[in-house]
Amino acid sequence: QKEVEQNSGPLSVPEGAIASLNCTYSDRGSQSFFWYRQYSGKSPELIMSIYSNGDKEDGRFTAQLNKASQYVSLLIRDSQPSDSATYLCAVIGAGGTSYGKLTFGQGTILTVHP
Amino acid sequence: NAGVMQNPRHLVRRRGQEARLRCSPMKGHSHVYWYRQLPEEGLKFMVYLQKENIIDESGMPKERFSAEFPKEGPSILRIQQVVRGDSAAYFCASSPPKGSGGETQYFGPGTRLLVL
Repeated sequence: QKEVEQNSGPLSVPEGAIASLNCTYSDRGSQSFFWYRQYSGKSPELIMSIYSNGDKEDGRFTAQLNKASQYVSLLIRDSQPSDSATYLCAVIGAGGTSYGKLTFGQGTILTVHP
Repeated sequence: NAGVMQNPRHLVRRRGQEARLRCSPMKGHSHVYWYRQLPEEGLKFMVYLQKENIIDESGMPKERFSAEFPKEGPSILRIQQVVRGDSAAYFCASSPPKGSGGETQYFGPGTRLLVL
């Protein structure tokens, strides 16, 4: 089982729609969760961090965390062509040697078409 | 406020040469991380450092790779006797001290290493 797993892509949505990206993780003690966006040939850019169960909203982005189900998601409302990128879910483990180390999912490629 | 800086942005080496990748963290950040992204693969953790200390090197290959973060100057990722399989994008990230959002990592632009 992969430590961090994202829903297989690519995901294609029309402009203005909601894009839903999902991620599950295996380390039940994980406390810190992040979504990064990576454009082709560029470096990861932080979109959201979330630490507590529930929803966290920032503009068009909403992150959702459910620790009991070991599940974290990212919703992008009113999707724009400029949102087309690879979205990376990342988790910091429970502690010890895991602290500070981001474990990434394989990424989901999102395409927003006009 | 300058972000994480990495240089060079592109590096070409022949097999057997040494590659030195540099990373300057964001101002006020005391934690540095190195990640590698192989072509068509995900980001993989390599090493986590604080000033003059290696905290976690569990992702570093056992041979040819080393990292340091001296008291003064940038963090250095050193790859000796490079092979074609080392061709990848190497990203550095930094985070502030613990207790001040210390877990959020911000990435530099990366160094693209090509081994001929």
